[in-house]
Amino acid sequence: AQKVTQAQTEISVVEKEDVTLDCVYETRDTTYYLFWYKQPPSGELVFLIRRNSFDEQNEISGRYSWNFQKSTSSFNFTITASQVVDSAVYFCALSGDNQGGKLIFGQGTELSVKP
Amino acid sequence: GAVVSQHPSWVICKSGTSVKIECRSLDFQATTMFWYRQFPKQSLMLMATSNEGSKATYEQGVEKDKFLINHASLTLSTLTVTSAHPEDSSFYICSAHSRDNGRFEQFFGPGTRLTVL
Repeated sequence: AQKVTQAQTEISVVEKEDVTLDCVYETRDTTYYLFWYKQPPSGELVFLIRRNSFDEQNEISGRYSWNFQKSTSSFNFTITASQVVDSAVYFCALSGDNQGGKLIFGQGTELSVKP
Repeated sequence: GAVVSQHPSWVICKSGTSVKIECRSLDFQATTMFWYRQFPKQSLMLMATSNEGSKATYEQGVEKDKFLINHASLTLSTLTVTSAHPEDSSFYICSAHSRDNGRFEQFFGPGTRLTVL
């Protein structure tokens, strides 16, 4: 079975604070892909990152960084110096190599960045 | 990146009517398309997997006779909500998937907001 857990339902921070969104996953596939998406109020999913299970290198893209820890089955997402425009719902998702491309989404974390 | 379109972007209909939603991959051929549904304040839940030229595979609990999926070509899949009821009001999102040279690609459409009165 595949499962993605985002334990934080809502997070509220003040602008310029750093914030980490947690994601824990379960899968029996040895090869899998992990994703983060941002969903602003408009509803459209914005792709942020895809990570292959064989690539445990952490990644940084501007104010965004991701920490992939296979040992703890976690793929956490950190926003540094948060801005009001970062306010959105963020989803972590998993696709196992034997799942034909299906994505299993976590419950989502609603991030509110206040000025 | 690849573009996936959905039409319409929103629709309001009366209870009992049918609504068709189109999902198109505009600049690549998708081997598979997926349909997701998202109720307010909830996550995206996979409804069905659609492969060109074959019957869709539905997830447990999704009524195949109510949510008709047709995947006529590698660039077009349609979802028809038959005899819609207010509880079908939701945000429907499609994604187009391709596996090219072993590289996994998946692109989401902008979604269709359905309101059934």
